[in-house]
Amino acid sequence: DGGITQSPKYLFRKEGQNVTLSCEQNLNHDAMYWYRQDPGQGLRLIYYSQIVNDFQKGDIAEGYSVSREKKESFPLTVTSAQKNPTAFYLCASTLGQKNTEAFFGQGTRLTVV
Amino acid sequence: GQSLEQPSEVTAVEGAIVQINCTYQTSGFYGLSWYQQHDGGAPTFLSYNALDGLEETGRFSSFLSRSDSYGYLLLQELQMKDSASYFCAVSWRSSGGYQKVTFGTGTKLQVIP
Repeated sequence: DGGITQSPKYLFRKEGQNVTLSCEQNLNHDAMYWYRQDPGQGLRLIYYSQIVNDFQKGDIAEGYSVSREKKESFPLTVTSAQKNPTAFYLCASTLGQKNTEAFFGQGTRLTVV
Repeated sequence: GQSLEQPSEVTAVEGAIVQINCTYQTSGFYGLSWYQQHDGGAPTFLSYNALDGLEETGRFSSFLSRSDSYGYLLLQELQMKDSASYFCAVSWRSSGGYQKVTFGTGTKLQVIP
């Protein structure tokens, strides 16, 4: 079955450490996105990528980095520069330009301990 | 920039009809989408409106007025399982020519017996 997979589901990080969240899709979608969701809040865009080897900063990119070396994969690294990383992270994909039905992964809940 | 407004909470009775409104401000508008998210889960796509008018999908309908920068989601024959958060999201074209999606902060719907 086609879909979008995030791993791990839960992640604990010590302060000062970098951590990478995985996002893989087999939907053959061109565009992929990373969102952050805080309790009772909407989704805020961190980074997005329309095509392989190209990505753009979203609204809250500071302290995060991404890569898009393959169409299927869009990993997100939360760096030590991110001051408040504890949140629910959601990865999504869409077919392409103007196609707005986004498919989401099940999310990764990151907690800094 | 982009902004969306929707009510933070709505309560409705099982079997009734509820309307969740969304007003937005954006340039380069493509369309308005609606997503449902149960607690701890991933958002799932409900509907998309690019043109003015009403789109119906089973018990759910979505309306858009581009001239008023306004849309709503209509849920009929409410069921207990409809208790969730509902997000409107606007798709728009950035100055760099990229498609972006900005989400509202969500409306928490509670369905009561």
